[in-house]
Amino acid sequence: DVKVTQSSRYLVKRTGEKVFLECVQDMDHENMFWYRQDPGLGLRLIYFSYDVKMKEKGDIPEGYSVSREKKERFSLILESASTNQTSMYLCASSLDRSLAYGYTFGSGTRLTVV
Amino acid sequence: AQSVAQPEDQVNVAEGNPLTVKCTYSVSGNPYLFWYVQYPNRGLQFLLKYITGDNLVKGSYGFEAEFNKSQTSFHLKKPSALVSDSALYFCAVYGQNFVFGPGTRLSVLP
Repeated sequence: DVKVTQSSRYLVKRTGEKVFLECVQDMDHENMFWYRQDPGLGLRLIYFSYDVKMKEKGDIPEGYSVSREKKERFSLILESASTNQTSMYLCASSLDRSLAYGYTFGSGTRLTVV
Repeated sequence: AQSVAQPEDQVNVAEGNPLTVKCTYSVSGNPYLFWYVQYPNRGLQFLLKYITGDNLVKGSYGFEAEFNKSQTSFHLKKPSALVSDSALYFCAVYGQNFVFGPGTRLSVLP
């Protein structure tokens, strides 16, 4: 089975801190994605990447950046954390752009910014 | 623009009864449609998908979904609900990009 691993299940950070959320997949998937999940809003796409060194903005990129130096690793960076970034963050990967196989999700990181 | 609606925030059903979780979508062209389930403090797990072919799609854990093009719906169903089916369910559509619905919380009561 494809595995998508998010390094932290729970994080508590202070306002203004730089925060790194790490995601690693082990099945050589081309595509990786970062979403945030908030009650009543579903999942909203922050950033995605179709290849190493490549990144594209999703629907809500403000306040975030990403890094994809290696194919298996896709990091989400909160440059200066704010309380409105308190959320559940989900990483996902997919085999190809056709999405015929859907996404595989990590277990999520629940981030609290205080 | 693409969109996905899940008109019910919460669905309650008694164990052993049939369940339906509703989903309607708006997309140009032929859609790819998905259902995912999320258990507490976990990521989303793939349940089933419709790409093309038979309108009735069977998936994991005894779930199935019916694609209805004229009604632009993709409702999730199960003939006999289990308490362990209690979770948050997301419908998603892929047309030009991937869009998730807001989620429906299913509670199966013993």
